[in-house]
Amino acid sequence: DADVTQTPRNRITKTGKRIMLECSQTKGHDRMYWYRQDPGLGLRLIYYSFDVKDINKGEISDGYSVSRQAQAKFSLSLESAIPNQTALYFCATSADRGSGNTEAFFGQGTRLTVV
Amino acid sequence: AQSVTQPDIHITVSEGASLELRCNYSYGATPYLFWYVQSPGQGLQLLLKYFSGDTLVQGIKGFEAEFKRSQSSFNLRKPSVHWSDAAEYFCAVTSNNAGNMLTFGGGTRLMVKP
Repeated sequence: DADVTQTPRNRITKTGKRIMLECSQTKGHDRMYWYRQDPGLGLRLIYYSFDVKDINKGEISDGYSVSRQAQAKFSLSLESAIPNQTALYFCATSADRGSGNTEAFFGQGTRLTVV
Repeated sequence: AQSVTQPDIHITVSEGASLELRCNYSYGATPYLFWYVQSPGQGLQLLLKYFSGDTLVQGIKGFEAEFKRSQSSFNLRKPSVHWSDAAEYFCAVTSNNAGNMLTFGGGTRLMVKP
């Protein structure tokens, strides 16, 4: 089983609909992240959480919200989806060692299409 | 603000040829550097990382990268490319005071000719 699991893997939704992407991890990491990937832009950080009570906006948080339901679960919501939110979304986790020198582990991604 | 540049959007090499993918970063703090690979329909897999010490780091699948502070570069190399190396490659950077939040380059898509 994957250490970082994202559901769904693919989703097509209509403009204006609310949608939630879910992420769960079995690595026991405190830190979790949501990124989106667009062609030519790499991955950009949407939100991150360093523990259950800590939620922070990333580079491109407008139009998104998150919930950290437990150490192992971090969900991303689009309250009212719009076509330019069509992208590949990745959840990631990392250990908290008080510094940046730990690697991030990524889920398989969720391909979201907003029509 | 930190940034990562991968100047080559697409690269095509012949199978068996050598490969170098370029990565330049702009970062105010001591950088921690990573290369990830994304195969079609897959997530990101870590190839290698540099935190400190020897500036030439070895990774999985026969890849290596060299950190050159004077050039703000962390180029990825492989002496002989295999058809299975066709994928998209991402360079990323973080630092001690950025937690583990990664800043990614735009990616380089590698195609391998038989």
